Amino acid sequence: DTGVSQDPRHKITKRGQNVTFRCDPISEHNRLYWYRQTLGQGPEFLTYFQNEAQLEKSRLLSDRFSAERPKGSFSTLEIQRTEQGDSAMYLCASSLRTAWDEQFFGPGTRLTVL
Amino acid sequence: DQQVKQNSPSLSVQEGRISILNCDYTNSMFDYFLWYKKYPAEGPTFLISISSIKDKNEDGRFTVFLNKSAKHLSLHIVPSQPGDSAVYFCAASEGNAGNMLTFGGGTRLMVKP
Repeated sequence: DTGVSQDPRHKITKRGQNVTFRCDPISEHNRLYWYRQTLGQGPEFLTYFQNEAQLEKSRLLSDRFSAERPKGSFSTLEIQRTEQGDSAMYLCASSLRTAWDEQFFGPGTRLTVL
Repeated sequence: DQQVKQNSPSLSVQEGRISILNCDYTNSMFDYFLWYKKYPAEGPTFLISISSIKDKNEDGRFTVFLNKSAKHLSLHIVPSQPGDSAVYFCAASEGNAGNMLTFGGGTRLMVKP
């Protein structure tokens, strides 16, 4: 299967710890997006990449959050000094090239901060 | 401030009948609208989209209607099938926003056999 994959699927951590998530987009997809979804809400945009360049960041992405896509392929999202409010589903999506290409979502990483 | 709203958290319909899911938006800069379907433990899956230059787009059993003056769109599913039971998200984007999507809160559709 060549869909968007995310790792890990679940992460439980203690408050104050750092966590890192990985997203592998569909091969040849140039755009990669990160969203966060809390219980009962729709996904909220965090950031997106065009190849390796990070082009847009939401105000939701505080200084504790950092995302990278070093070679324009996979991406990582790191959260430093996690807080209980960071508990959410973190979704990654990729699209082919243009602003009108459909976004394909991965299954998400569910983060629980104790 | 929610720019995209889905006011019905849940909807129950009988198999074979029409399902109508509604969505309202406030940002007049939105010019592209999408519906995604989400099953448990999976990411959202694209269903259908519509550009602001159109007022209707149809794909099989799914039709999306856009009323720009009312800032309202709806998704019609005819006939509804039990496999359509899922959470449906409405999303919107601005033309030059790199396809950054703003989602509504979702509507859980239950289609009863």
